[in-house]
Amino acid sequence: SAVISQKPSRDICQRGTSLTIQCQVDSQVTMMFWYRQQPGQSLTLIATANQGSEATYESGFVIDKFPISRPNLTFSTLTVSNMSPEDSSIYLCSVQGSAYEQYFGPGTRLTVT
Amino acid sequence: GNSVTQMEGPVTLSEEAFLTINCTYTATGYPSLFWYVQYPGEGLQLLLKATKADDKGSNKGFEATYRKETTSFHLEKGSVQVSDSAVYFCALSDRITGNQFYFGTGTSLTVIP
Repeated sequence: SAVISQKPSRDICQRGTSLTIQCQVDSQVTMMFWYRQQPGQSLTLIATANQGSEATYESGFVIDKFPISRPNLTFSTLTVSNMSPEDSSIYLCSVQGSAYEQYFGPGTRLTVT
Repeated sequence: GNSVTQMEGPVTLSEEAFLTINCTYTATGYPSLFWYVQYPGEGLQLLLKATKADDKGSNKGFEATYRKETTSFHLEKGSVQVSDSAVYFCALSDRITGNQFYFGTGTSLTVIP
């Protein structure tokens, strides 16, 4: 299994500002995923990030709001731009394992005031 | 399309009670099935998995059997503990759709002494 770390673990931000979340994996992986988990809800996939190509966004998520970088096979960032209180969520990154499972980071708990 | 339907919660049980959390799925291809657990304030942890029909996944006393005939993957544990209190997510990954994950809505379990 992969070991995944995220920074920051939590943050409180003012509306209108941006926050960049980092995701680091202990091994090289092709695909990384970013999810949002709103309070008391299930996970919603934001985008899939492959190294060397543009991220693929799911319906309802756009690059201007959630720009993603994937500079190498062990690291990715997700930026939440021009934040509003509706962006208050847990943001999780994950990677795919060898048997089609996914391994998740501990999450970044974002509160927008 | 692909989807996961999970038993509504919350579920409250006494310690040492028997646990069943129902999960059914629809899939266009050949899914792998998973149960994830999310302890309070943490990310998702893979609890168990099954990659083909009749497979049984098991871990930490939890079990689930991949039933193709009933399209189900119910989670069971014979004797729950207070430390099992968490939110449980059923999920599927379908190789036909590029291994995208589909999550159920989550079932919150509280075990009381």
